[in-house]
Amino acid sequence: AQSVTQLGSHVSVSEGALVLLRCNYSSSVPPYLFWYVQYPNQGLQLLLKYTSAATLVKGINGFEAEFKKSETSFHLTKPSAHMSDAAEYFCAVSGSSGFGNEKLTFGTGTRLTIIP
Amino acid sequence: GAGVSQSPSNKVTEKGKDVELRCDPISGHTALYWYRQSLGQGLEFLIYFQGNSAPDKSGLPSDRFSAERTGGSVSTLTIQRTQQEDSAVYLCASSLVRTGRAWLSEQFFGPGTRLTVL
Repeated sequence: AQSVTQLGSHVSVSEGALVLLRCNYSSSVPPYLFWYVQYPNQGLQLLLKYTSAATLVKGINGFEAEFKKSETSFHLTKPSAHMSDAAEYFCAVSGSSGFGNEKLTFGTGTRLTIIP
Repeated sequence: GAGVSQSPSNKVTEKGKDVELRCDPISGHTALYWYRQSLGQGLEFLIYFQGNSAPDKSGLPSDRFSAERTGGSVSTLTIQRTQQEDSAVYLCASSLVRTGRAWLSEQFFGPGTRLTVL
């Protein structure tokens, strides 16, 4: 079975500071990993995904994540936080082999607060 | 619009009543997923459709939950005899399935239906 663990249900950073949201995965096969963002009263939006093409993945809104197999991690970072980054962030792993059912297993989420 | 739409956006019902939640996927997307987001359980998978078939129903929590998809498009999630623990946000997602390990389809999510069972 595949799973992800997000460390820290709440993270607060100052505007302009580094954002680091942690995600560790557990998988018996090479995983496909994702970060989604959810703004209040909205659905989930894909930030970025790892599909084994490159270990450093760049996403939208200046976010990036690095896949580290030795640490089973896929942490999300952004060099400089903006007020508009305040949202809830979910790490997820896909159970797919690349065809068909690609259901996602999500972490418990991290609520990011930006301090002006 | 071009995105996934869900209706109603909010539903309040009494315990024991049946409810139907609707999902309109992006046109042409053959894969459709239902997820549930609740305080106690987080985000969890419910059911997966490929076309009109549901090869994976493993996430449905009980036989009170059922879903169907018609015309390879609209899907309806039905909850019979609702219970208070069914209160949650129900999210629908669709994707365009591609083949091969090099591809991984992005799931596009709707805004969800917030269900409150009194």
